[in-house]
Amino acid sequence: DTEVTQTPKHLVMGMTNKKSLKCEQHMGHRAMYWYKQKAKKPPELMFVYSYEKLSINESVPSRFSPECPNSSLLNLHLHALQPEDSALYLCASSLQTRDRGAKNIQYFGAGTRLSVL
Amino acid sequence: KQEVTQIPAALSVPEGENLVLNCSFTDSAIYNLQWFRQDPGKGLTSLLLIQSSQREQTSGRLNASLDKSSGRSTLYIAASQPGDSATYLCAVTGTASKLTFGTGTRLQVTL
Repeated sequence: DTEVTQTPKHLVMGMTNKKSLKCEQHMGHRAMYWYKQKAKKPPELMFVYSYEKLSINESVPSRFSPECPNSSLLNLHLHALQPEDSALYLCASSLQTRDRGAKNIQYFGAGTRLSVL
Repeated sequence: KQEVTQIPAALSVPEGENLVLNCSFTDSAIYNLQWFRQDPGKGLTSLLLIQSSQREQTSGRLNASLDKSSGRSTLYIAASQPGDSATYLCAVTGTASKLTFGTGTRLQVTL
């Protein structure tokens, strides 16, 4: 099973709402990632968790708050977003982070398409 | 800062043709390079991973090569099919274990 499950698939929220994106994997991976992808652009890394600890934050605004409650689950809490935050949010996982080979392969979920009104 | 560029940005070929997608990166200090496929509005599917010590990898009709010293990789697709239509992204993993994606090539295979 190489599946990364993201919920919800679509989300529409107002600028004053609080919502959360959820990502789950049961492959025993210890690294999990959040990416943001705007239309016709490549994904951009937001956060990396390694062994449930935040290891990389790519200077993401505080209105995005990641959380890794356990090794299988990754959340992204959203609050006071702006319309320009509308994008496809992708979650990924890999066996490890610091590996030169196959343990670094990232498996991606289908994404959550977020619209901020 | 690592920059990854893909050429061409878009490509349309008739079914059955062999084709080559190009990827170049500015910093050769990479752990590995991956090629992904993305269908419209969907997530990414990893196609091939080449470790920094390898020169090429093959999977079915796909062959990827890596020339780390010159900062280049190619993805060769043999006997293209309409189902190959998608956006193809290359991505490099740097020493900070961060994945940097290329700009993508949108491929259309016509009947």
